[in-house]
Amino acid sequence: SYVLTQPPSVSVAPGQTARIACGGSNIGSKNVHWYQQKPGQAPVLVVYDDSDRPSGIPERFSGSNSGNTATLTISRVEAGDEATYYCQVWDSSSDHYVFGTGTKVTVL
Amino acid sequence: EVQLVESGGHLVQPGGSLRLSCAASGFTFSRNWMHWVREAPGKGLVWVSRINSDGSYTNYADSVKGRFTISRDNAKNTLYLQMNSLRAEDTAVYYCAKRGDLGSTNWFDPWGQGTLVTVSS
Repeated sequence: SYVLTQPPSVSVAPGQTARIACGGSNIGSKNVHWYQQKPGQAPVLVVYDDSDRPSGIPERFSGSNSGNTATLTISRVEAGDEATYYCQVWDSSSDHYVFGTGTKVTVL
Repeated sequence: EVQLVESGGHLVQPGGSLRLSCAASGFTFSRNWMHWVREAPGKGLVWVSRINSDGSYTNYADSVKGRFTISRDNAKNTLYLQMNSLRAEDTAVYYCAKRGDLGSTNWFDPWGQGTLVTVSS
């Protein structure tokens, strides 16, 4: 089955840039989606199809995808961005949906 | 406003059964594929099951296949998850989610608030 790997944690100072990696075999050939989940809340979509943003999501959230790594970038990080972020793809070979292991972003 | 509201989660003994419901509003439910996703305590998100718009096609994660059944009632705008032969490892918050409606559509938005299922004796 397809596996997505993320670093467990990322720390960033307010106003700086956070980059969250999502590794998978030839992930560049897939569409990658990203979710933000705060404690006790449901996940919220922040990026879909590698780099598109749903309405209402700030431009500070952006995504890229190439080779074996997809990346979610949060620019000008704010305290309210502190959350766990998950990447997700659809695996066509199994017709299953796969989530990454999740990355907890801490704002220092 | 699109809204998804889950219900039905509670404490159940191992080997028991439970049916979760997800009431949908604010969009044309009958035209949308729907999903169940779960989150075990302290763990990450795991996709559970998917159903197409008219209920004729379903698929499941390997961990629940043969034990869980996804279904829908388009007249009632409601999604269901019938959970049988429950195990301790099925303990989780269960979310329903709507399939994406742009681009690849292989994403989930929005999500309900979740309902907690606890399997324990």
